[in-house]
Amino acid sequence: GAGVSQSPSNKVTEKGKDVELRCDPISGHTALYWYRQRLGQGLEFLIYFQGNSAPDKSGLPSDRFSAERTGESVSTLTIQRTQQEDSAVYLCASSARDGVYGYTFGSGTRLTVV
Amino acid sequence: GENVEQHPSTLSVQEGDSAVIKCTYSDSASNYFPWYKQELGKGPQLIIDIRSNVGEKKDQRIAVTLNKTAKHFSLHITETQPEDSAVYFCAARKGGADGLTFGKGTHLIIQP
Repeated sequence: GAGVSQSPSNKVTEKGKDVELRCDPISGHTALYWYRQRLGQGLEFLIYFQGNSAPDKSGLPSDRFSAERTGESVSTLTIQRTQQEDSAVYLCASSARDGVYGYTFGSGTRLTVV
Repeated sequence: GENVEQHPSTLSVQEGDSAVIKCTYSDSASNYFPWYKQELGKGPQLIIDIRSNVGEKKDQRIAVTLNKTAKHFSLHITETQPEDSAVYFCAARKGGADGLTFGKGTHLIIQP
């Protein structure tokens, strides 16, 4: 597609439930990134995929968070046993050529844990 | 690793005046410096970027300057308009597979 697509755009879930967030990067972009943005805050790096290499998971805040990517296409971010502090906007970005150029961000998924 | 500091956190200017946002970085190997604009409810959008082989780049009312010696770069917006109100993020990266390191953002408010 023309841009990075994220779904759902909004998600309200009960504390303790699992959620799955989806990201469709720009076709041909080999690099894909997930960020978390709490209300009024900056961009917190979560995980980075580059082609078929092992992902950089150094930003994942706990073992409740995991992410997968199928080849160089769709990625899913899963949060298990959600907590209220997980409430945030989760942003996905993709980039061509190992990030030589800037990222293109999606519009994000706003997750609210009640 | 890289560390990017961004100032100010909030900037209020009169419509028509200029706005300047400054960032510093720690890793002298960084060579790519983009700026992103994030409007309410949207993802960040790339507005301008600069590479370490140039000192300044302009695109209409916006410009970015880079001082490699001092390891700082700045975003300049002239003749500000209400639609410039947003959060602006600077970022830096090295070559290879390293990702971007972002500043904490500047909330720019254009007063009518």
